[in-house]
Amino acid sequence: EAQVTQNPRYLITVTGKKLTVTCSQNMNHEYMSWYRQDPGLGLRQIYYSMNVEVTDKGDVPEGYKVSRKEKRNFPLILESPSPNQTSLYFCASSLRETGEQYFGPGTRLTVT
Amino acid sequence: GQSLEQPSEVTAVEGAIVQINCTYQTSGFYGLSWYQQHDGGAPTFLSYNALDGLEETGRFSSFLSRSDSYGYLLLQELQMKDSASYFCAVRDYIHQGGKLIFGQGTELSVKP
Repeated sequence: EAQVTQNPRYLITVTGKKLTVTCSQNMNHEYMSWYRQDPGLGLRQIYYSMNVEVTDKGDVPEGYKVSRKEKRNFPLILESPSPNQTSLYFCASSLRETGEQYFGPGTRLTVT
Repeated sequence: GQSLEQPSEVTAVEGAIVQINCTYQTSGFYGLSWYQQHDGGAPTFLSYNALDGLEETGRFSSFLSRSDSYGYLLLQELQMKDSASYFCAVRDYIHQGGKLIFGQGTELSVKP
């Protein structure tokens, strides 16, 4: 089944404790993105990647890192999480830049 | 800068037709997409318009007018399951590969 998977689905952590949210797709898509969703603010792009080893900042990249060492994986790293990073996070992939995006199920992160 | 405007809420009755508008301001416009999101779930792709005119997919249609920087999503024969948030999105091509910018979403409530 074609899908985007994210782990963990739910995470409660404390300020400053490094964490990684994994994202993997099995559709051989070149384009992958991370978004955060907050009430009243919609979906905001954090980072995107056009292919292996090619990443670029989205609208809200501060406090986040990403890497794209393999085509299928695009982890999101929070080196020192803060409470303002409490949010619902989505990973997405698409075959092309203009293609339909397939979203993962989401990761609900709470930073206390 | 880039911005998209869509109504925050729309209410309609089952069986009716509803139109959700989206106006945008971007650099290097390259198509308007629509996504549906049920409460807390993953957004799912509905349609994409690269050229002016109407695209129809079953009960859903999407329209684009590039000269007016305007598009809309038309939902016909509304069903209770259509109650969800609907997001328009455009890609900004000033940045290579393009950031994807989402509107803040329109919450559609379908009443019996």
